[in-house]
Amino acid sequence: DQQVKQNSPSLSVQEGRISILNCDYTNSMFDYFLWYKKYPAEGPTFLISISSIKDKNEDGRFTVFLNKSAKHLSLHIVPSQPGDSAVYFCAASAMNYGGSQGNLIFGKGTKLSVKP
Amino acid sequence: DGGITQSPKYLFRKEGQNVTLSCEQNLNHDAMYWYRQDPGQGLRLIYYSQIVNDFQKGDIAEGYSVSREKKESFPLTVTSAQKNPTAFYLCASSPFSNSPLHFGNGTRLTVT
Repeated sequence: DQQVKQNSPSLSVQEGRISILNCDYTNSMFDYFLWYKKYPAEGPTFLISISSIKDKNEDGRFTVFLNKSAKHLSLHIVPSQPGDSAVYFCAASAMNYGGSQGNLIFGKGTKLSVKP
Repeated sequence: DGGITQSPKYLFRKEGQNVTLSCEQNLNHDAMYWYRQDPGQGLRLIYYSQIVNDFQKGDIAEGYSVSREKKESFPLTVTSAQKNPTAFYLCASSPFSNSPLHFGNGTRLTVT
């Protein structure tokens, strides 16, 4: 059973508009969430993270929102740029329950296409 | 320039042969990880090591083996016991703390 779900395999957005990527999780012990961005034939690169003690974290054009009661997080990219076109992975871990980076659970990814 | 080096980028092997994938890091990170990615799938953890001479199985360790004799190196051997070895393999490292993973650029293994 998938503990981290990214239900949209793909998303297409016009340049300059907002991109919203969604992620749902089932394990209530998850308390640390990350987003990674991946280009073809390359390794993922870390984008932004959020701890469960927060409900929002912002870094430039990227903002992650966490709704613990709904077990849902989202990544907002504003404004979207063609260079943002990549696969975005959501990942979660139960860091305060004996977990570690070795217990990161990844979603299947959402492929974002930003059209000029 | 610090980073993680995976070599080779592409690897081809015949079925029944063991193959070892290289992963080297110069980030001075304690922890290292091996993930596998299949088309349309998320990353799945094969093995990880939090310190030299110690490692733990991940979710899909069957058919794989690792060693961690040096802090900088964490090679992965794909044995003939691995039923579906063709995949994209990613190595990662992190400081031994609550920090994001740094990934290498991966090795695409094709077994025919």
